[in-house]
Amino acid sequence: GAGVSQSPSNKVTEKGKDVELRCDPISGHTALYWYRQSLGQGLEFLIYFQGNSAPDKSGLPSDRFSAERTGGSVSTLTIQRTQQEDSAVYLCASRSYNEQFFGPGTRLTVL
Amino acid sequence: DQQVKQNSPSLSVQEGRISILNCDYTNSMFDYFLWYKKYPAEGPTFLISISSIKDKNEDGRFTVFLNKSAKHLSLHIVPSQPGDSAVYFCAAQGNSGGSNYKLTFGKGTLLTVNP
Repeated sequence: GAGVSQSPSNKVTEKGKDVELRCDPISGHTALYWYRQSLGQGLEFLIYFQGNSAPDKSGLPSDRFSAERTGGSVSTLTIQRTQQEDSAVYLCASRSYNEQFFGPGTRLTVL
Repeated sequence: DQQVKQNSPSLSVQEGRISILNCDYTNSMFDYFLWYKKYPAEGPTFLISISSIKDKNEDGRFTVFLNKSAKHLSLHIVPSQPGDSAVYFCAAQGNSGGSNYKLTFGKGTLLTVNP
């Protein structure tokens, strides 16, 4: 069966540009998470969606980061006015019961 | 301030021997712990977990031990195989009351199993 997919797999952008990262969760999973992994670091929680509830945005590092989840399925993470410190692998996960299933990630490089 | 710590960035063992990966945590509200395995260019995949009401959970070659008083857990792989070579992440989940199940990760340990 299909797992979590993310696109693009790689994104190179210039400082100051906006980027959009996409996540397609596993069908039927109502919970969706975004994490990022900076170089040499563990995964850092960014945002959580559960059904129609208000998202938990407590992990977003600044107001340049936002995310939405349309129709309870696909999610988009948007980073405005990218900075070099935004360079990282951005991972999406969807959850079934107590297990999170991760996508392959999007490697973002800000030049 | 890291709440989940994996103090060994790398570990190298011989095929057939035991691999022991360690993890320490500081937040006493964590009540569920997981190990994830990650190959390059792939997302982490769930390996094994343990609830804070237990001190051991075993699944085939993988065993996780939890010492709550020491806030320490370890993953044992016996016997180690070359295909086990990957980055292993320790993760913890807290009973935040909001039930969002968000995970707090360590920085990972790169395990290399030599043939």
